[in-house]
Amino acid sequence: AQKITQTQPGMFVQEKEAVTLDCTYDTSDQSYGLFWYKQPSSGEMIFLIYQGSYDEQNATEGRYSLNFQKARKSANLVISASQLGDSAMYFCAMRLLYGNNRLAFGKGNQVVVIP
Amino acid sequence: DTGVSQDPRHKITKRGQNVTFRCDPISEHNRLYWYRQTLGQGPEFLTYFQNEAQLEKSRLLSDRFSAERPKGSFSTLEIQRTEQGDSAMYLCASSEGAGGETQYFGPGTRLLVL
Repeated sequence: AQKITQTQPGMFVQEKEAVTLDCTYDTSDQSYGLFWYKQPSSGEMIFLIYQGSYDEQNATEGRYSLNFQKARKSANLVISASQLGDSAMYFCAMRLLYGNNRLAFGKGNQVVVIP
Repeated sequence: DTGVSQDPRHKITKRGQNVTFRCDPISEHNRLYWYRQTLGQGPEFLTYFQNEAQLEKSRLLSDRFSAERPKGSFSTLEIQRTEQGDSAMYLCASSEGAGGETQYFGPGTRLLVL
């Protein structure tokens, strides 16, 4: 079974600074996808970025980039130039590309951006 | 193109009552998922439909839970004889068919069982 680990305590980050959120995963499968979602206090899960296990380049999406280190089984999210609206919970998730279709989520990282 | 919608957004019920939630996926998405999220945790998978067929069910989905997607469009999740432990956020997501890896989530239904 897939397992996602997010262990950082809540983080305060200064507006306009970058923040890195750690995510490690565990699977014996070779074909999988890694996702990051943002969940503001309203509750909706907002998709941010996707990285496939066979993608050779790190994914980027605007201010979001994913630092994918396959050998270390880590998929850290980097948010550049933090904005007040980035304050939220951030969840790392994984899905096997073949077989089941369920997303396995970590427990999340709390980020608070301060002016 | 509208996103995933869920109704109701909030539900308060008494223990023992039945509740039903509805999810409308993004149009043209043939895959639909239900997840449950309790306080301080990430979402946990409950069940998955491809078109009208329910293809996967988690062990979390006890006999009191049933989900349907009768015409391959909207889906309902019913909880019978609710218990206080059912209090959670119920999230619905949808994705395209093969090749569409990303699941897009709705706003969720917050359930409180008193």
